[in-house]
Amino acid sequence: EAGVAQSPRYKIIEKRQSVAFWCNPISGHATLYWYQQILGQGPKLLIQFQNNGVVDDSQLPKDRFSAERLKGVDSTLKIQPAKLEDSAVYLCASSEHPPGTSVYNEQFFGPGTRLTVL
Amino acid sequence: QKEVEQNSGPLSVPEGAIASLNCTYSDRGSQSFFWYRQYSGKSPELIMSIYSNGDKEDGRFTAQLNKASQYVSLLIRDSQPSDSATYLCAVTHSGGSNYKLTFGKGTLLTVNP
Repeated sequence: EAGVAQSPRYKIIEKRQSVAFWCNPISGHATLYWYQQILGQGPKLLIQFQNNGVVDDSQLPKDRFSAERLKGVDSTLKIQPAKLEDSAVYLCASSEHPPGTSVYNEQFFGPGTRLTVL
Repeated sequence: QKEVEQNSGPLSVPEGAIASLNCTYSDRGSQSFFWYRQYSGKSPELIMSIYSNGDKEDGRFTAQLNKASQYVSLLIRDSQPSDSATYLCAVTHSGGSNYKLTFGKGTLLTVNP
């Protein structure tokens, strides 16, 4: 079974530029998550999708971050404009069950995109 | 704000010893508990999940859950240098109709040959 795919793996941009990340979840997984992991911290949830609908985006900085999952499969996360504090690893994860249907909802992570904002 | 607390370490153990990693959480209604292993520069990898009080063993790993004390731990027996990594505790709590996963900051484990 193929895992969660993400691209690019690394990105270096200057502040105020824009950047986009792509994620393809495990086949058949209904729920897709984007996390931000700053060095020395645990992952922090940015946004959660069930199929192509947003379940939770309460911690997404909506003035600069946006995300979509148009066909209920792959997803993109965009930052525009980027700030220095956005330097982090952006992790995509997926889980099999729709949110709220099971506590046994193990999440599996992709390799992440390491973003450096100069 | 739901909190998950871990000792950041580093925790250093000799090869062959038992490594004990601890985690406490603030939400008494939490229902699912996970341990992820994260090697430097890599993404988190799920190694254990536990849902009910008591112990759950998988190979050299044992997860222990005590909901009354709001405490979950991970024991690694016969520790190997390849176990050197950051171990993230993650807890699922109910947020309305959704189950959210909150991570601790992780404990860095170093196993010395």
